Amino acid sequence: AQKVTQAQTEISVVEKEDVTLDCVYETRDTTYYLFWYKQPPSGELVFLIRRNSFDEQNEISGRYSWNFQKSTSSFNFTITASQVVDSAVYFCALSEGGARGSYIPTFGRGTSLIVHP
Amino acid sequence: DTEVTQTPKHLVMGMTNKKSLKCEQHMGHRAMYWYKQKAKKPPELMFVYSYEKLSINESVPSRFSPECPNSSLLNLHLHALQPEDSALYLCASSPEDSSYNEQFFGPGTRLTVL
Repeated sequence: AQKVTQAQTEISVVEKEDVTLDCVYETRDTTYYLFWYKQPPSGELVFLIRRNSFDEQNEISGRYSWNFQKSTSSFNFTITASQVVDSAVYFCALSEGGARGSYIPTFGRGTSLIVHP
Repeated sequence: DTEVTQTPKHLVMGMTNKKSLKCEQHMGHRAMYWYKQKAKKPPELMFVYSYEKLSINESVPSRFSPECPNSSLLNLHLHALQPEDSALYLCASSPEDSSYNEQFFGPGTRLTVL
């Protein structure tokens, strides 16, 4: 069975600080996909990144970066120089490479990030 | 058009009412989803439609009845709900029902059952 753990329930930082959100996953499949979504107070989940299990390259997009390490089953998300607009709940999610029609994503419980001015 | 729209944004209903939630996308996506999200919790999958056919029902009570009239539209019919059904209901779509695709979410409907 697949499982996603986001151990940090809430993180509070001051603007311009760097912050890392942790995500640890469990799966028996060799093919799987990891996602990060952002949910601002408005409620809509916004897709940030997808990573497949065969691609361990880290990724940087502006102030966002992701560190995928299969050896530790982790897919951590770092925001550099945080801004107030980064305040949101961030969800890590996992889906296994099952047959089409059997896909059910598993979400972590989310990390609430609060960035103070 | 790269968005998923949901109406209404807010809904208050009594336990004897019948109401419907509506979701629409015009991205040509063939998979659509309903999620329920309680406060400070992750979204919980309720239903998946793939090519307008119901492919997954996560043991949702029959007081929730989904409908997919066409590939762009997804409805959720509500009848005889309970106060514990109060939550944010999110609709999402993806190009196909596969583990590879990211999902595009609507802003949700905040439902309160009195």
